[in-house]
Amino acid sequence: AQSVTQLDSHVSVSEGTPVLLRCNYSSSYSPSLFWYVQHPNKGLQLLLKYTSAATLVKGINGFEAEFKKSETSFHLTKPSAHMSDAAEYFCVVISSGGYNKLIFGAGTRLAVHP
Amino acid sequence: DTGVSQDPRHKITKRGQNVTFRCDPISEHNRLYWYRQTLGQGPEFLTYFQNEAQLEKSRLLSDRFSAERPKGSFSTLEIQRTEQGDSAMYLCASTPQGLAGGKFYEQYFGPGTRLTVT
Repeated sequence: AQSVTQLDSHVSVSEGTPVLLRCNYSSSYSPSLFWYVQHPNKGLQLLLKYTSAATLVKGINGFEAEFKKSETSFHLTKPSAHMSDAAEYFCVVISSGGYNKLIFGAGTRLAVHP
Repeated sequence: DTGVSQDPRHKITKRGQNVTFRCDPISEHNRLYWYRQTLGQGPEFLTYFQNEAQLEKSRLLSDRFSAERPKGSFSTLEIQRTEQGDSAMYLCASTPQGLAGGKFYEQYFGPGTRLTVT
């Protein structure tokens, strides 16, 4: 069965500094992995997706993630944090059980300080 | 706004009451999902519709829960005899189709309905 583990429940950075949100996955075959962001009172939004093409995936708002099979990781990074990046971030994998239902990690809350 | 909409956005109810939530997916999206998100956790899959057919239900969906999508457009999720443990955010998502030919069709999420059972 597929699963994802987000290694940090809270991350706090200063504006302008790099962001690293960590995610490890468990899968019996090559997974499809995603990062979603959830701003308060707004719906979940897809940041980026990995579907077995390039291992370095670029997303919206300057975020990117690298799929590392040897480390079973899919960490999310951004070179320079902006105040508007403060939100909850979810690492997600498609379930092997069919119908493309999503399996979410527990989430990482990112705080950005001036 | 042509995104996924959900109604109501907030619902407070007393234990034992029935509640019904509505989801309007993006027009022409034939796949619709319901998820539940409890405080401090990621969303968990509840059920899936392809057009009007409910093709999968999670074990999280007890007998008190029922979902419909009568005309393959909007969907409703009803909870009977609510319990305090039902307090959560109920999310709806839609997508035109699933993974095909290596292409992933994004699931578009609504803003959710936050249920509080007192």
